[in-house]
Amino acid sequence: EVQLVQSGAEVKKPGATVKISCKISGYTFTDYYMHWVQQAPGKGLEWMGLVDPEDGETIYAEKFQGRVTITADTSTDTAYMELNSLRSEDTAVYYCTTVILKRGVPFDPWGQGTLVTVSS
Amino acid sequence: DIQMTQSPSSLSASIGDRVTITCRASQGIRNDLGWYQQKPGKAPKRLIYAASSLQSGVPSRFSGSGSGTEFTLTISSLQPEDFATYYCLQHNNYPRWTFGQGTKVEIK
Repeated sequence: EVQLVQSGAEVKKPGATVKISCKISGYTFTDYYMHWVQQAPGKGLEWMGLVDPEDGETIYAEKFQGRVTITADTSTDTAYMELNSLRSEDTAVYYCTTVILKRGVPFDPWGQGTLVTVSS
Repeated sequence: DIQMTQSPSSLSASIGDRVTITCRASQGIRNDLGWYQQKPGKAPKRLIYAASSLQSGVPSRFSGSGSGTEFTLTISSLQPEDFATYYCLQHNNYPRWTFGQGTKVEIK
């Protein structure tokens, strides 16, 4: 069974940094990109970026470029999303997700989400 | 960057109604689009891939159509469990993604 299990909720002060983990099981970590998606309270889904676990290459959305770092640790099959210079607008649920192809049909498991609250 | 414009942002409908949600892309994206359903407190779930293919296990009352710049998600007969928020997602400029703004389907 494919699973993506994320780390727990975080409370951070403005200006701080948060690092969220996403541990996978049930598929080969290096075969598929890992994406991260932000969802602020009552708002829509926003794609933040991705990492290719095979070589560590990353692509970031323009909105988050310079503040986000996405990494992958192939020794533990875990992806990480680090967001720095936190502000109140970063209060959101963050999801990791990947797209696995099964006989050409996409299957996209999601993590359970991690709530990050930014508050002084 | 490719922009996705989804409409309406919300709608009220009754059980049994036919519901249509539209996404327009700022440039042609072939059929590189999926539709997702999200319920409160849950991760999104894909309903449709490649614009019109039904994901395994998804009820046949859901259907998708379109290609190029205009896409539609249709629920042929709204059921109580369908009240949720729906999003389109384009992946034409792979591996980058863009979501539509979302459509909240509420009970009339």
